[in-house]
Amino acid sequence: DGGITQSPKYLFRKEGQNVTLSCEQNLNHDAMYWYRQDPGQGLRLIYYSQIVNDFQKGDIAEGYSVSREKKESFPLTVTSAQKNPTAFYLCASSIVRGTGSSYNEQFFGPGTRLTVL
Amino acid sequence: AQSVAQPEDQVNVAEGNPLTVKCTYSVSGNPYLFWYVQYPNRGLQFLLKYITGDNLVKGSYGFEAEFNKSQTSFHLKKPSALVSDSALYFCAVRDSYSSASKIIFGSGTRLSIRP
Repeated sequence: DGGITQSPKYLFRKEGQNVTLSCEQNLNHDAMYWYRQDPGQGLRLIYYSQIVNDFQKGDIAEGYSVSREKKESFPLTVTSAQKNPTAFYLCASSIVRGTGSSYNEQFFGPGTRLTVL
Repeated sequence: AQSVAQPEDQVNVAEGNPLTVKCTYSVSGNPYLFWYVQYPNRGLQFLLKYITGDNLVKGSYGFEAEFNKSQTSFHLKKPSALVSDSALYFCAVRDSYSSASKIIFGSGTRLSIRP
C-alpha cells in the first residue's frame, strides 16, 4: 500500500448525501484509477485519469464524479444518483510515460469502505 | 474485447502442499498478464507479471506463474503453501491493442491454507 493513501478508511453516508473519497499518491505516477469492489465480483473500473485535468469513464461511472487538478490527487465523489453505493473503493496509480509503460502494474491504496445507512 | 476468468471461487490446500490458482484469458492482441493478492480490508498487492519471454514467471513470496499461449492460461503456483498465503487472489489482463491504462480483473479466488 506504500505511496498511495486513501481516506477515510470507513465512511458512513445517509441516503441522498454526496460524499467524497480522497486518494493521494507520492509515487509521481501519471495515471490514477478508481475501482469498486463488491463480494464475488472482483474489481470494476469507475474512472481513470492519465494526465492532470483529463479523465475518462470506466465501466460503471454512473452516479460518480472525479477531478484531477493535481498530479498527486484524484478524489472520487459518490453522488446521490448512485443507486447502491455501499462497497469497498480502491484507488490505484501507475506509470504511463516511457518505454514499456503499457506493461506497468498498478499500485493500490488501502481502500475506503463506504456504507449507506 | 478482453476478458479474464478465474473458474474457482475458493481453493483449499494443506500447508506444505503445492498450490495452483487458475486463470484463463481472452484478448485480441498479445496479453499482458498480472497476479495480485489482497488481504482482508486491504488494497491489492502486485505479485508478478508476464509481458514476453520465458513462460515461467517468478514473483514475490515464492509464487510463480506459467503462461500457456495455446491454452490461454496463466495459472499461479507455489511449490509449498504457507498458512500466511491465505488471501484473495486476482488475475488481471491487458490487451496490447487496448488503452494503455485499462486492465481487466478476474472475480478473484479465495485461497485457504489449513495447518
